[in-house]
Amino acid sequence: DAGITQSPRYKITETGRQVTLMCHQTWSHSYMFWYRQDLGHGLRLIYYSAAADITDKGEVPDGYVVSRSKTENFPLTLESATRSQTSVYFCASSETVKGYNEQFFGPGTRLTVL
Amino acid sequence: EDQVTQSPEALRLQEGESSSLNCSYTVSGLRGLFWYRQDPGKGPEFLFTLYSAGEEKEKERLKATLTKKESFLHITAPKPEDSATYLCAVLSGGYQKVTFGTGTKLQVIP
Repeated sequence: DAGITQSPRYKITETGRQVTLMCHQTWSHSYMFWYRQDLGHGLRLIYYSAAADITDKGEVPDGYVVSRSKTENFPLTLESATRSQTSVYFCASSETVKGYNEQFFGPGTRLTVL
Repeated sequence: EDQVTQSPEALRLQEGESSSLNCSYTVSGLRGLFWYRQDPGKGPEFLFTLYSAGEEKEKERLKATLTKKESFLHITAPKPEDSATYLCAVLSGGYQKVTFGTGTKLQVIP
C-alpha cells in the first residue's frame, strides 16, 4: 500500500546497544524527517533530509545518525542507546509545493531503552 | 528561537458544546502555520495550513483562523469522534523545519 511505514513498531533494547529504526515512503517525496515525541516536549526534530545523500541536523541530533542512499528510505540509528532515548519516534515526509508543504507522518516506533 | 504555546493542555466538552483551542507563537518570519490531529498510538494527521493573518479554513466541524500572534481551532458541535490531541506547528526560516507545540488533548463526552 502507498504511504509511509515504520519498522519495528515496538522495540526494547539495552543501554549501549545499537538500534536502527526504519522508515519507508512510497510517494517519492523529496523531504524526510525524524522526530521524537516525549511528554511535555511535543514533537522535536532530530534530523531531516532534503533529498538522497543530503541530510541535516534538527533540534536534538546528539546520539543519532541518519543516512539516505535512496529517496524512499531514511533509517535512523542510535549508535549507543541511552535511557534518555526512550521515546516514540515518528518519521515524516513531504514534498515542496510553492516552497512549503504539509508533512505526512508514519505510525511511529515506540522505543524503550533499559 | 521559535516558540509555540498551546492552551489549554486538556479540554473536556460535552457533545455539542462548541469551543476553541489556542495556539500562540513567536517566530521570526512566519511562513506557515499547521494544525494536526493525533489519535492515541498513531502519527499526526494533517488538518490545515494557514499562511497569513486573516486567513481561515474549514473542514467539517473544524475551523482554523490566524492572526499575527496566534491561531484558533474552533470546534462547532463536537462529537465523541473528535476526541484527540490537536497539535499546532509553525514554519519559519528555510527548508521544512517546523516547530511543534505540545498539543491540546480534547475529550468529547457523549
